[in-house]
Amino acid sequence: NAGVTQTPKFQVLKTGQSMTLQCAQDMNHNSMYWYRQDPGMGLRLIYYSASEGTTDKGEVPNGYNVSRLNKREFSLRLESAAPSQTSVYFCASSEVGGRQPQHFGDGTRLSIL
Amino acid sequence: AQKVTQAQTEISVVEKEDVTLDCVYETRDTTYYLFWYKQPPSGELVFLIRRNSFDEQNEISGRYSWNFQKSTSSFNFTITASQVVDSAVYFCALMNSNSGYALNFGKGTSLLVTP
Repeated sequence: NAGVTQTPKFQVLKTGQSMTLQCAQDMNHNSMYWYRQDPGMGLRLIYYSASEGTTDKGEVPNGYNVSRLNKREFSLRLESAAPSQTSVYFCASSEVGGRQPQHFGDGTRLSIL
Repeated sequence: AQKVTQAQTEISVVEKEDVTLDCVYETRDTTYYLFWYKQPPSGELVFLIRRNSFDEQNEISGRYSWNFQKSTSSFNFTITASQVVDSAVYFCALMNSNSGYALNFGKGTSLLVTP
């Protein structure tokens, strides 16, 4: 049982390059989330998708776009990467309503030079 | 507004000591959920416990225990007889019903347990 799978695990980009972080879950969860983790800041919500076909901004959405491709997959895109987007990115999923804990992927460590 | 405060940035203890990690939260919701996650040096996030606002009963799981007090808006986590494997960053989080039930995380407490 894979749970939440994120790809890639590591990536180095140059300023201005674009890339897409992929996330897939096999738990039939309705809700999916993207967070970023920076030193001393905890995890902050970038975007979320409460259900298939919907996406909404979180606390720090600037510079990012998302796509809920289907129920399983939720991708995060950086159109023009900036050094301030150097971070560890986590994808998570959960049942609707939040009564169950969120399950997290192992994270993507992204460095932008 | 929702907020989670973990005032302790870093804690260092010697193995077998007891340690308590503090968590204070703010919310206007009457129904809410609180969580603790562990992030070991390997980086993954491990779910430890979920507590809803209607259940103030303390919980014990092995060496771990949690004290939830609505009167002080606190949800503290105690590790009894700490072990080196407990070394990790621990996050307290509050579920936000206004953001698709996403989590508002505290900044985390880094716990180092030395032999």
